[in-house]
This record gives sequence, C-alpha cells and structure tokens, in this order.
Amino acid sequence: GAVVSQHPSWVICKSGTSVKIECRSLDFQATTMFWYRQFPKQSLMLMATSNEGSKATYEQGVEKDKFLINHASLTLSTLTVTSAHPEDSSFYICSARSPGAWREYRNEQFFGPGTRLTVL
Amino acid sequence: DAKTTQPNSMESNEEEPVHLPCNHSTISGTDYIHWYRQLPSQGPEYVIHGLTSNVNNRMASLAIAEDRKSSTLILHRATLRDAAVYYCILRGQGNLIFGKGTKLSVKP
Repeated sequence: GAVVSQHPSWVICKSGTSVKIECRSLDFQATTMFWYRQFPKQSLMLMATSNEGSKATYEQGVEKDKFLINHASLTLSTLTVTSAHPEDSSFYICSARSPGAWREYRNEQFFGPGTRLTVL
Repeated sequence: DAKTTQPNSMESNEEEPVHLPCNHSTISGTDYIHWYRQLPSQGPEYVIHGLTSNVNNRMASLAIAEDRKSSTLILHRATLRDAAVYYCILRGQGNLIFGKGTKLSVKP
C-alpha cells in the first residue's frame, strides 16, 4: 500500500482553542484528500473532500467555518478545528487518493493513522 | 453508491481460513467492490478490491459472485493480528462511504 501520515497522533486542548491536524501523502501525489471523523464504537463519517488548490466540499451537517480545510500542495492537507468544544472530541482520520495509474492501484484511497482529539 | 450488508461480527480460530461475506444486491455495473479493515485506534487499511473477476493479493482473496450481488473476503490463515473491523464498500464515481462492517475476532 501507500503511506499516509498524520500529525499529531493525539492532542488534548482546552475548550475554545483551535487545533490543526496535518495529513501528508508520503510516496505519491494526491490531488484529492478526504477527512473523516469517528466517534467511539461508530463507523467513519466523511466530513469533507478537498482537491488541491481549490475549496473543500463539505458533507451535509459539517460546519465549514468550524472545520477549516486547506489542501495547498499535492502532498499536504490540513484540518483546523476552530474554537473546539468537548463535543468535537473524536478520532479524525485523513485519506489520500492515489493517482489514476500508480503501481498496481488505480484511484485507491489510503488512510492515515488517525488523530485522537480530546477537548477539555 | 449502493449499500452493502455485512454480519455484525464473526469469530475465527487462529491458523484457520476465514470467509467474510458481503451482500450488495443493488450494485451497479460500474461499482468496484472494496475491502478495508480497521484495527483498534488506527486508520483503515486497504485490503483488496475487484470489479468482476476474483482477485488475489498478499493479504487476502476476493471472491465475487457471478451476478456481482455478493462477494466474500477470504483470509487464508487467520492470525491474531487479523482481528479488526472489516468494511465492504462499493465505489463508483463517488467517495468511500463506510458502513458498520464486520468485527472479526480471532481466538488463539
């Protein structure tokens, strides 16, 4: 598979502060990246899709002003949780889509290891 | 993208084969069948995908029914490290949408 990294792997912050999570595709260029959120004992929920150089597309019910996504390069996307509150505590997972023809893969999505956010 | 149905949980013994079923009766002709797995506190890991023909890779095999309305992920020899939630997902032009998956337990 391919390697997608996230940083930090976990973060604890105070209510009202902002937190930035980085997602990098290490061995391929990703024109499209995705952000998911996962609450305990639940499945992954897609939050938004970001294409390099353009604005992200948010899923219904996800506040774009609260979850700022920047995809400034082909290997880096960032998610900033602004004015975080305890209900934003969750496991945030990014994903990057491989190019159309890369190794034995074709437009496959590869996932980062996730970032555990705890808001006090 | 069409919906999939998987059992909530399955158990297996170590070193034995595991067959994880997935039903997708409303699959369209352009939907690929993808399998991912997620170990506790980790991001999902790509396992395998296919369209019509059976597929094999170093992790698993994917058997697709002739009418494509169901598929089976086959782990040839389960290990304790295979304990995870396995997701069967159909993807056409859209993004990966995760269902609840099958939680696989492996007993030593």
